[in-house]
Amino acid sequence: KAGVTQTPRYLIKTRGQQVTLSCSPISGHRSVSWYQQTPGQGLQFLFEYFSETQRNKGNFPGRFSGRQFSNSRSEMNVSTLELGDSALYLCASSLVGPLGEQYFGPGTRLTVT
Amino acid sequence: AQKVTQAQTEISVVEKEDVTLDCVYETRDTTYYLFWYKQPPSGELVFLIRRNSFDEQNEISGRYSWNFQKSTSSFNFTITASQVVDSAVYFCALSEVTIQGAQKLVFGQGTRLTINP
Repeated sequence: KAGVTQTPRYLIKTRGQQVTLSCSPISGHRSVSWYQQTPGQGLQFLFEYFSETQRNKGNFPGRFSGRQFSNSRSEMNVSTLELGDSALYLCASSLVGPLGEQYFGPGTRLTVT
Repeated sequence: AQKVTQAQTEISVVEKEDVTLDCVYETRDTTYYLFWYKQPPSGELVFLIRRNSFDEQNEISGRYSWNFQKSTSSFNFTITASQVVDSAVYFCALSEVTIQGAQKLVFGQGTRLTINP
């Protein structure tokens, strides 16, 4: 069974630009969660989508948004990029949600210059 | 708010030694879940265990064992007879349900474990 895939794996953007990251969950999983990992703040929960609806949200500004498609694939968008948005963005899929067993992708390393 | 503290930033041991990773948490909830995840150099987190607050039984899975003590708000993780492949960053996490009903995980800062041959 294929694991969670994330594209692209690496991305370099300039301040002020926007970026879209993609995540394909494990087949059959309807929950997709997104996390930001930085050396300073550690691992932080961004949001979770379940059956195309945002069900849970962390404490991030509105520049961070996402969506989920009918095939459970999810995208995360960050607008007006800031230097502090440089991070590893991890996607996790699950049968039940963030409080269940989650399977993580390898992440997208975003660098903002 | 929930808080998870992993006081050990880095641990380095020689292969075959036993090693314990500490996790202390703070919560006002009576029902909660605790987790351990492993992050190898490849980057993706790997689920190791989930424990609910009503189950204080220790768990053993091969060389891994977990000791959950509500009295001290701790959920420690022990690797017995460590191996080089155990080298990774290990995260302890705690569930949080906000007033609005949102569910999420709160992670500790992680412990980088290096097993030397």
